[in-house]
Amino acid sequence: GAVVSQHPSRVICKSGTSVKIECRSLDFQATTMFWYRQFPKQSLMLMATSNEGSKATYEQGVEKDKFLINHASLTLSTLTVTSAHPEDSSFYICSARETTQQFFGPGTRLTVL
Amino acid sequence: ELKVEQNPLFLSMQEGKNYTIYCNYSTTSDRLYWYRQDPGKSLESLFVLLSNGAVKQEGRLMASLDTKARLSTLHITAAVHDLSATYFCAVRETSGSRLTFGEGTQLTVNP
Repeated sequence: GAVVSQHPSRVICKSGTSVKIECRSLDFQATTMFWYRQFPKQSLMLMATSNEGSKATYEQGVEKDKFLINHASLTLSTLTVTSAHPEDSSFYICSARETTQQFFGPGTRLTVL
Repeated sequence: ELKVEQNPLFLSMQEGKNYTIYCNYSTTSDRLYWYRQDPGKSLESLFVLLSNGAVKQEGRLMASLDTKARLSTLHITAAVHDLSATYFCAVRETSGSRLTFGEGTQLTVNP
């Protein structure tokens, strides 16, 4: 199947700093990518839908100024967590759709101290 | 708003036994997915079901879809320890592009 990569896989940062997470589709072009957040023992919650060349669509309750999404090319979307706080600590997973399938990146575990 | 419910949420079973995980959803959908997640890892795609009556099998897992009942099942046959993981169903609404996930079923297969 198609491969989606994420970088970094793990990041620890101090409160108040910003963290950028990259998501790449390695062997296909993705006009649409999705960003999810997963807290321990919980399901995946969609944060936003990222469209190449246009603004992201955020889910209700997700602050667009805090979670900046950029989808500059057909193979790359980035999520920047600005002014991170401990409550932003979570597992962030991106996903890209290819025809009927949706493939997930390996995830980024963010810990904010 | 689309709601997706899985049951059971926790399942502990012995090796060699059979069991079924259920996934109900609340509105029309044009595709349903099953994923597996191991602890600390991301999601692995298992099945995508596109039409009413679709049945797919891979090894000891078989998934089916009944769009009229808005129900999908994931059947486990002769479970083995390696199947221990959390299983999610996810549904895409006919009119949209986003996936809505069920709560997940944490499966533990005991020797």
